[in-house]
Amino acid sequence: DAKTTQPNSMESNEEEPVHLPCNHSTISGTDYIHWYRQLPSQGPEYVIHGLTSNVNNRMASLAIAEDRKSSTLILHRATLRDAAVYYCILRSTSGGSNYKLTFGKGTLLTVNP
Amino acid sequence: DTAVSQTPKYLVTQMGNDKSIKCEQNLGHDTMYWYKQDSKKFLKIMFSYNNKELIINETVPNRFSPKSPDKAHLNLHINSLELGDSAVYFCASSPGTGLGSRNSPLHFGNGTRLTVT
Repeated sequence: DAKTTQPNSMESNEEEPVHLPCNHSTISGTDYIHWYRQLPSQGPEYVIHGLTSNVNNRMASLAIAEDRKSSTLILHRATLRDAAVYYCILRSTSGGSNYKLTFGKGTLLTVNP
Repeated sequence: DTAVSQTPKYLVTQMGNDKSIKCEQNLGHDTMYWYKQDSKKFLKIMFSYNNKELIINETVPNRFSPKSPDKAHLNLHINSLELGDSAVYFCASSPGTGLGSRNSPLHFGNGTRLTVT
């Protein structure tokens, strides 16, 4: 599985934007970039995914570098409820079982009131 | 309505016992998964079933036996429990494994915390 590298932790203030970086220098052409988050005592929750173009949804935005070797998850206005571990995952669309989600360590986001 | 539900939420048992965790999804998905999250918070896939057929088995000990009576249910039975089995077990589902579904999000349950004493 192609690997991703994320900072262990980040801190933000409430109501401010948060930029969560992810490096994936060995990404292949069939890999999509997925983001999940895990709130305390809950299961992981899908946030967003993309291939080459930047993506927006109601939860966040995903900015993907032109060479696709890095990406950034953007929370436009952090709330206390956004405090969670954020996982950046490469998910292959090639054959076999490569579609499976393989979680790394993620980034623990702390949001200060 | 809960999309992916697991029971029980907590399970405390002694070494050597056999226990089961149940999982049900009401999303109409074809694929279901079991993940294990250990004390260091690493989430690892254990099994995946597609339409009741096992498609992923990540070198999990034989003491773990998943069972899928229908595509909406994937239960996990664990024999001869060991201390190292203590973890949070998450069930998940996704639409399928076909080409058009490989990017579909996984929906996770809220986990079963298993403590083996």
